[in-house]
Amino acid sequence: AQSVTQLDSHVSVSEGTPVLLRCNYSSSYSPSLFWYVQHPNKGLQLLLKYTSAATLVKGINGFEAEFKKSETSFHLTKPSAHMSDAAEYFCVVSEGDTGRRALTFGSGTRLQVQP
Amino acid sequence: DTAVSQTPKYLVTQMGNDKSIKCEQNLGHDTMYWYKQDSKKFLKIMFSYNNKELIINETVPNRFSPKSPDKAHLNLHINSLELGDSAVYFCASSHSRNQETQYFGPGTRLLVL
Repeated sequence: AQSVTQLDSHVSVSEGTPVLLRCNYSSSYSPSLFWYVQHPNKGLQLLLKYTSAATLVKGINGFEAEFKKSETSFHLTKPSAHMSDAAEYFCVVSEGDTGRRALTFGSGTRLQVQP
Repeated sequence: DTAVSQTPKYLVTQMGNDKSIKCEQNLGHDTMYWYKQDSKKFLKIMFSYNNKELIINETVPNRFSPKSPDKAHLNLHINSLELGDSAVYFCASSHSRNQETQYFGPGTRLLVL
């Protein structure tokens, strides 16, 4: 089974500074990886996804992630944090046979943005 | 227009009761899912349906019974509710050709007293 590990349960940054949310995956083959965001009391929104095309993936709201096979990592970054980025972020891997795919979520990283 | 909608948004009930959560998607997808998010924010797949057929059925108590009357709807019925059922339940949908890209509903917050 594939899995993802989010290395930080909580990250706090100041507005305007860079954001780094770390994620490592375990997989016996090239996985499909995603980052989802959940704002307080809201549903889940897809930020970006990697499906074996370009290793640097650009998402919405200025976020991007780089797939590094040698490090089995898929860290999420943003050059400059905004107050509206405060939310819970989930690193996700897709697993299962064709027709039986499901998403396996990491434990989440809460991003706090200080003014 | 809401793509994936769930009702109710909040549900507070007593132990032992039976309750249902409804999910509808207007995206034309043929696969739908139920996920459970516990108090520690951990999200886990419960069920998936493709064209009204049960595809994934994770280790979930049989008190939970999903029902898909058509491709656009996937309801979750829970019998004999227990305290541990308190969680946020998310519905999602996708195309069977692209099950990796799933669209989530806003969640239903269930509190069992």
